[in-house]
Amino acid sequence: DAGVTQSPTHLIKTRGQHVTLRCSPISGHKSVSWYQQVLGQGPQFIFQYYEKEERGRGNFPDRFSARQFPNYSSELNVNALLLGDSALYLCASSFLGQGTEAFFGQGTRLTVV
Amino acid sequence: QQQVKQSPQSLIVQKGGISIINCAYENTAFDYFPWYQQFPGKGPALLIAIRPDVSEKKEGRFTISFNKSAKQFSLHIMDSQPGDSATYFCAAAYSGAGSYQLTFGKGTKLSVIP
Repeated sequence: DAGVTQSPTHLIKTRGQHVTLRCSPISGHKSVSWYQQVLGQGPQFIFQYYEKEERGRGNFPDRFSARQFPNYSSELNVNALLLGDSALYLCASSFLGQGTEAFFGQGTRLTVV
Repeated sequence: QQQVKQSPQSLIVQKGGISIINCAYENTAFDYFPWYQQFPGKGPALLIAIRPDVSEKKEGRFTISFNKSAKQFSLHIMDSQPGDSATYFCAAAYSGAGSYQLTFGKGTKLSVIP
């Protein structure tokens, strides 16, 4: 049974560009969350989607946006990239919107130059 | 504002020893406390989790101890092995707000030496 899959695994972008990261949750899971992990730190919550609706938003600027599709996959978009956006972006899926285990993908390593 | 404080930042344990990592939280609304293990270049993997209605949970060599009054919880790894060398994160979440977001500690880098 496939786990959470994220694409691409690595990405290099230039300051000011836009990036789209993709996530497919575990089959049967309806909730997807996005986290940013800066080197040497714990993951920080960006967004949560459940049944295609935004359920939570962390303390990130409006340059960050996301959506969830009818098949429960999700995209994270970041506009006007800054050097400080360089991080590992993690997607987590869970069966319900709350109160159940969250399983993470291997992440997308974004480097902004 | 860091809502989950984790210590120590790094830990060196001999093979066969006990590894202990501690976390403290501030938000009394938290009702779910998982621990994650992360290897370099990989995403965090769920190890074990506890809810505040129990004081201890054991799964194999991993045990969570939970002290609700002190707002603290800890991970004990018994018979630590070199393969346990990784970064460990505690986290907390609350399910009452209609959303599900994990607040993580800053992590503990564990090295188990032969």
